[in-house]
Amino acid sequence: AAGVIQSPRHLIKEKRETATLKCYPIPRHDTVYWYQQGPGQDPQFLISFYEKMQSDKGSIPDRFSAQQFSDYHSELNMSSLELGDSALYFCASESGDTEAFFGQGTRLTVV
Amino acid sequence: ELKVEQNPLFLSMQEGKNYTIYCNYSTTSDRLYWYRQDPGKSLESLFVLLSNGAVKQEGRLMASLDTKARLSTLHITAAVHDLSATYFCAVEGFGNEKLTFGTGTRLTIIP
Repeated sequence: AAGVIQSPRHLIKEKRETATLKCYPIPRHDTVYWYQQGPGQDPQFLISFYEKMQSDKGSIPDRFSAQQFSDYHSELNMSSLELGDSALYFCASESGDTEAFFGQGTRLTVV
Repeated sequence: ELKVEQNPLFLSMQEGKNYTIYCNYSTTSDRLYWYRQDPGKSLESLFVLLSNGAVKQEGRLMASLDTKARLSTLHITAAVHDLSATYFCAVEGFGNEKLTFGTGTRLTIIP
């Protein structure tokens, strides 16, 4: 069965650079969530989209933006990267009453 | 605001022993999830609990949900080394589908 695909799996960026993370949800899933997990922390909700519209917003810095495209994939854009942005970034998708399914995550390292 | 408390934070136990991880949450919930996470890896879904009194078992792990007490437990029976990981509970708030995670329990099984 198709799963949630995230790319890239690993990313190394320098401070003040920009990064773009991509998430391809399970086919026919219309909702995408982004979470950030710092080292030794629990995942924190960043932002979500339903039918290409932002549906909820959590503790997402103003330097970050995201969107969901017509094919339901989503991108998280991160600018002016800081050392503290180093984390695992997870995407999850769901549809209607289904449970949420998580991708493998993108490990971002800012140096 | 939904709050999720998980305890203990750290658990070191000998092989063959039984133990329970607790997850309390503060408001009405639609779903409760249990995840396993190995270091640096993604979140592996273990159980999804939907209704009061729900009990699910897989191998040496059993999860239960008491919606009246807003409490879920993850019980480990006759632990083996392969169960060493961090376990998270996550709660989907009523009418608000993002997940709020507990702090995680880092479980170490000692031979």
